[in-house]
Amino acid sequence: QSALTQPASVSGSLGQSITISCTGSISDVGAFNYVSWFQQHPGKVPKLMIFDVSHRPSGVSHRFSGSKSGNTASLTISGLQAEDEADYYCSSYTTFSTSVFGTGTKVTVL
Amino acid sequence: EEQLVESGGGLVEPGRSLRLSCVVSGFTFDDYAMHWVRQGPGKGLEWVSGINWNGASQGYADSVRGRFTISRDNAKNSLYLQMNSLRVEDTAFYYCTKARSLNYFDPWGLGTLVIVSS
Repeated sequence: QSALTQPASVSGSLGQSITISCTGSISDVGAFNYVSWFQQHPGKVPKLMIFDVSHRPSGVSHRFSGSKSGNTASLTISGLQAEDEADYYCSSYTTFSTSVFGTGTKVTVL
Repeated sequence: EEQLVESGGGLVEPGRSLRLSCVVSGFTFDDYAMHWVRQGPGKGLEWVSGINWNGASQGYADSVRGRFTISRDNAKNSLYLQMNSLRVEDTAFYYCTKARSLNYFDPWGLGTLVIVSS
């Protein structure tokens, strides 16, 4: 049950688009379409942004989108805004009937 | 409004035990699987354990299997995590979260802090 691999940090300017990758294996990301993404501001509780690879919960901005190819999932934030600066975590269901989170990515808005 | 409130955290010596609780309201508790997720100080999220709607099926992270036990009491709208043989590396905020489907964790409680130290 190794953590999914994410870049430690990603940055972009206001209005730009950024993409965060989440690399797993055939036992997790590659096995199912049960990949979620969470946003966490400092001192706050994680917030679900994407579920089932590419679905947005009610209330989440359309600027957030998800995709998957093979063992790698991706979160794209378009039209980057100041409030998007936060930590982001991916998560996947696994073939062991468990879940696993990614290592986390700090997004900085320049 | 759906609410999850964790309790039971605190300071405990290595090797001792602690039991966390999570009381929920605002939704039909026994319709959903529930999970515990933890976050060490300055660290990332780590899935700890999950339990299905009636308690018949549980899953654990390798790091806690054999030491932690998840359970639930649907009559009391409550989720539990019995933590035995605690280690320094178990120090973290522990969050309970509702699973709307596989790996769909929403909402989350505010968490309870467990500190394992001598």
